[in-house]
Formats: sequence, C-alpha cells, structure tokens
Amino acid sequence: KNEVEQSPQNLTAQEGEFITINCSYSVGISALHWLQQHPGGGIVSLFMLSSGKKKHGRLIATINIQEKHSSLHITASHPRDSAVYICAAQGGSEKLVFGKGTKLTVNP
Amino acid sequence: NAGVTQTPKFRVLKTGQSMTLLCAQDMNHEYMYWYRQDPGMGLRLIHYSVGEGTTAKGEVPDGYNVSRLKKQNFLLGLESAAPSQTSVYFCASSRTGAEAFFGQGTRLTVV
Repeated sequence: KNEVEQSPQNLTAQEGEFITINCSYSVGISALHWLQQHPGGGIVSLFMLSSGKKKHGRLIATINIQEKHSSLHITASHPRDSAVYICAAQGGSEKLVFGKGTKLTVNP
Repeated sequence: NAGVTQTPKFRVLKTGQSMTLLCAQDMNHEYMYWYRQDPGMGLRLIHYSVGEGTTAKGEVPDGYNVSRLKKQNFLLGLESAAPSQTSVYFCASSRTGAEAFFGQGTRLTVV
C-alpha cells in the first residue's frame, strides 16, 4: 500500500468550476508538499505546509495533521490549470514520498 | 539563477551500455535527490545526498550509482543499462525546511 494516496486519479472540470484534490498519508511527516507537473514534464512546487492553510492566487492548500489529510483547492479553474497535481509527504533527510498524482483537465 | 539543470534531456542506450546523468544546482542546497518516474507510479527515490561527499540509497537503488564530489553537482550512473531502467529521471535539490526544486527531467530509453 502506497504511503501517500491521492484522489481522484483523474478529474475533468469545466472552466470556472471549484476543484478539490485530496491527499492522505500514513507516515509521520515534517511537511506536506503539493507539486504541479505540466504536459511538458517539468515539476514545480506549489505549496509546502506543515499546518493550517496556505493560499497563492487561486490555489489554496490545507492540511489536517491529526487526520493525516491534505487538500488542494483551485477556485475559478481555467484550462491553463490542466496538469498533473502531485502530493508528497516529507520525512527524514527532507526526503519526499510521492502520491501517484491527479490528472486534471479543465475544458473551456 | 538557473536553478536545477539536468543533462542530457533525452538519451537512447543499448542494453549493457553505460552512461552518467548530471544534475547541477546553483542555489547552494545541501540536499540533492535522484528520482525516477514511471507510468502509473509516483516518483520513486533512487539515491540521495545530504551534503558534499555523502550519498545514500533510496527506495529503488539497484543498478544505479551516484557521486557528489562537489556540493553543486550530483551524478547518477548506470553501469550496465537494462530495459527496466527506461524511465524519466528527475533530479531535485532542497535545503532544510524549504521547498524542493526540480530539474526538467531526462527521458531515457534502453533498447
């Protein structure tokens, strides 16, 4: 069983919709990362959080340490948000354990 | 700043050939990592380094070797490539308590 589970695996939305991607982890962590991978393949960090909530533009990330659960929300989704979103749990030596990713497609 | 740079970006190898992937970072990060990404699976850690001159095994180290002779560079070697090593390889770097930065990836095909 993967230590980091994401849902859903695939998500299709219409432009403007509110999107939620979920991440559950079973290991002790020092932080939880949300990453974005575009079709070109590059991976960029969106958020790193160890408690509470962070917001950047239309993206919001939350984490509940007690429940070992995190969510990534996208408000007013846009086709350019289409990408794979990856959750990763950070442990010792800053190592990351990754979920399998959620492929998001936003249609115009 | 260039961030994290991987070379090469693409490579085709024949079974049994060797090659070295280079990862360079200009952010003075202590930690560096090599991951592989395969369809249907999350990124998996091959080897990592917590500082110059140190290396350690990750989740899937077999068939790979690494070296970190300089703080800014982390090399991943394949001594005798196998088709099972066909993958996309990502290098990343970070410092304590901060986000990770990733290279653009190397697409390796072993035939």
